[in-house]
Amino acid sequence: DTAVSQTPKYLVTQMGNDKSIKCEQNLGHDTMYWYKQDSKKFLKIMFSYNNKELIINETVPNRFSPKSPDKAHLNLHINSLELGDSAVYFCASSPPLLSGNTIYFGEGSWLTVV
Amino acid sequence: GENVEQHPSTLSVQEGDSAVIKCTYSDSASNYFPWYKQELGKRPQLIIDIRSNVGEKKDQRIAVTLNKTAKHFSLHITETQPEDSAVYFCAASSHSGGGADGLTFGKGTHLIIQP
Repeated sequence: DTAVSQTPKYLVTQMGNDKSIKCEQNLGHDTMYWYKQDSKKFLKIMFSYNNKELIINETVPNRFSPKSPDKAHLNLHINSLELGDSAVYFCASSPPLLSGNTIYFGEGSWLTVV
Repeated sequence: GENVEQHPSTLSVQEGDSAVIKCTYSDSASNYFPWYKQELGKRPQLIIDIRSNVGEKKDQRIAVTLNKTAKHFSLHITETQPEDSAVYFCAASSHSGGGADGLTFGKGTHLIIQP
């Protein structure tokens, strides 16, 4: 019954590898996001999709590529992983504009690059 | 774009006392201000929010105030309890971007409740 679910929860991988994190929401929301939380706990938006269309692409290396096959899914693919990519990645979603802009987070994916 | 400043970064209070966390924002178009609580190893969860047409909102021991003129908003927790210990984030957003702008977060306040 988890509203925003993401997998895997933990991921340990070597530098240079390519990995993906999947996200699904069953709230019927139109907008989905990826946020990165670094070791200092700072939450920073990476991408925003509205009805499968990219709205926000913050200053993120192009090694990071989001994919939205439908409005309930927003996956994150990362190429050529670097040590600095180690962080917690949160998927999130929010309802249509007129319903407010509250963001609901998934449980997070802890990525460790070694 | 929006910039949100949050203070203090760490706040230690005695159990039963009140705690206040303050934030400022830069974009006068911002009109939605939520607060999130993040416990260790968990996701951020919404605890209270306020919109720009309201100056104050209260929910049991938690209250939020907003001063649009000064671009300040604050979180007040009264009668603090050990379970209030967590990292608290303020955030701001504007609908001017079509609703998918997301939230800009402050850097967080680590609230420690001393028994």
